[in-house]
Amino acid sequence: AQSVSQHNHHVILSEAASLELGCNYSYGGTVNLFWYVQYPGQHLQLLLKYFSGDPLVKGIKGFEAEFIKSKFSFNLRKPSVQWSDTAEYFCAVRNNDMRFGAGTRLTVKP
Amino acid sequence: EAQVTQNPRYLITVTGKKLTVTCSQNMNHEYMSWYRQDPGLGLRQIYYSMNVEVTDKGDVPEGYKVSRKEKRNFPLILESPSPNQTSLYFCASSLYTNDNSPLHFGNGTRLTVT
Repeated sequence: AQSVSQHNHHVILSEAASLELGCNYSYGGTVNLFWYVQYPGQHLQLLLKYFSGDPLVKGIKGFEAEFIKSKFSFNLRKPSVQWSDTAEYFCAVRNNDMRFGAGTRLTVKP
Repeated sequence: EAQVTQNPRYLITVTGKKLTVTCSQNMNHEYMSWYRQDPGLGLRQIYYSMNVEVTDKGDVPEGYKVSRKEKRNFPLILESPSPNQTSLYFCASSLYTNDNSPLHFGNGTRLTVT
């Protein structure tokens, strides 16, 4: 079965800093990859997804992610974070059922 | 409005008292799933269902039951809740079980078992 690792548990940045959150998965077959965001007190919302084609995927709110097959990675990036990006971010991989990483809490200081 | 609806949002109960958390989706989705979210552990899958009358165990099914008698409903049943089942629970659904369908989540149910 597939599994997902997110190595950063808590990231603290100042506004306008650049963001990169790591995500690695373990699965030998074709995978479909997702990033979800959970704002405080809310449910998970889809940020972006990759299933084929251009490995650089753009999502909502200025986020993007790059799929690097050779590294089994799908890192999330944003050039300039805002205070409103404070949330928990989950990487997920799907092969029939969806498996999530443990999440990375992002705190953006104003 | 397309949505996944869970009830209740908050529930406090005592050890051993059977409870059901309901989940309903109005999008005619085939796939439904239950997760529990605990600090530092992310979301762990409890059970999932690929269609009516088809359910399978996820990673942490012990102490839980589910049923899928109709396409829209996927209730989570705790026959004899214990304190280690105190958690935040999310129901989710997707159109198909094929791989690129994103999940749509409910608003969550925060369960406390004393």
